[in-house]
Amino acid sequence: GDSVTQMEGPVTLSEEACLTINCTYTATGYPSLFWYVQYPGEGLQLLLKATKADDKGSNKGFEATYRKETTSFHLEKGSVQVSDSAVYFCASSFSSGSARQLTFGSGTQLTVLP
Amino acid sequence: GAGVSQSPSNKVTEKGKDVELRCDPISGHTALYWYRQSLGQGLEFLIYFQGNSAPDKSGLPSDRFSAERTGGSVSTLTIQRTQQEDSAVYLCASTPPGSSYNSPLHFGNGTRLTVT
Repeated sequence: GDSVTQMEGPVTLSEEACLTINCTYTATGYPSLFWYVQYPGEGLQLLLKATKADDKGSNKGFEATYRKETTSFHLEKGSVQVSDSAVYFCASSFSSGSARQLTFGSGTQLTVLP
Repeated sequence: GAGVSQSPSNKVTEKGKDVELRCDPISGHTALYWYRQSLGQGLEFLIYFQGNSAPDKSGLPSDRFSAERTGGSVSTLTIQRTQQEDSAVYLCASTPPGSSYNSPLHFGNGTRLTVT
């Protein structure tokens, strides 16, 4: 079945450091790909998405490019801030009959130190 | 506007007891999902409701788990005879009409269930 594998955490960085969180997927066909973020005490919220190969999603300084050849959707940010401390989830979505299912990775805890 | 609301935010129960978790989706949203987030694990799909269609229950882990959605709005997830392995954060999400698999889910803050 479809699956998402993301870099295990936790990840601790200093402010202004460069961030990469790896994510790879397996899927039959071409799913849509997402990064969700969960800030402390809050629910998951969409950070960015890409719906087809070579699409680049971006938001709040974060970027991820849908790479079909490597089945990857790595999350990157050039300069992290303390406020980026959160859990990040990679996810893939496919339409299966009458149900739409989102497959999530296990999450990566990011802590940014001042 | 109001987001997805879940209650209670925390629930501690004794092993063997039944629990009910509630989800109020965003007004007008037709699709509703339940996920389970266990410690150190990703989100596990449990059940999906879409309008008046039969729900997709393929993710429910055992027959102790059930869910209903009344009037196409509020949903209740019921766990009977709780076990310690049921301890997790239970997340609810909804999407508006016309959403496709490209559309994001709107999540609530979850209910943290602890079975002692």
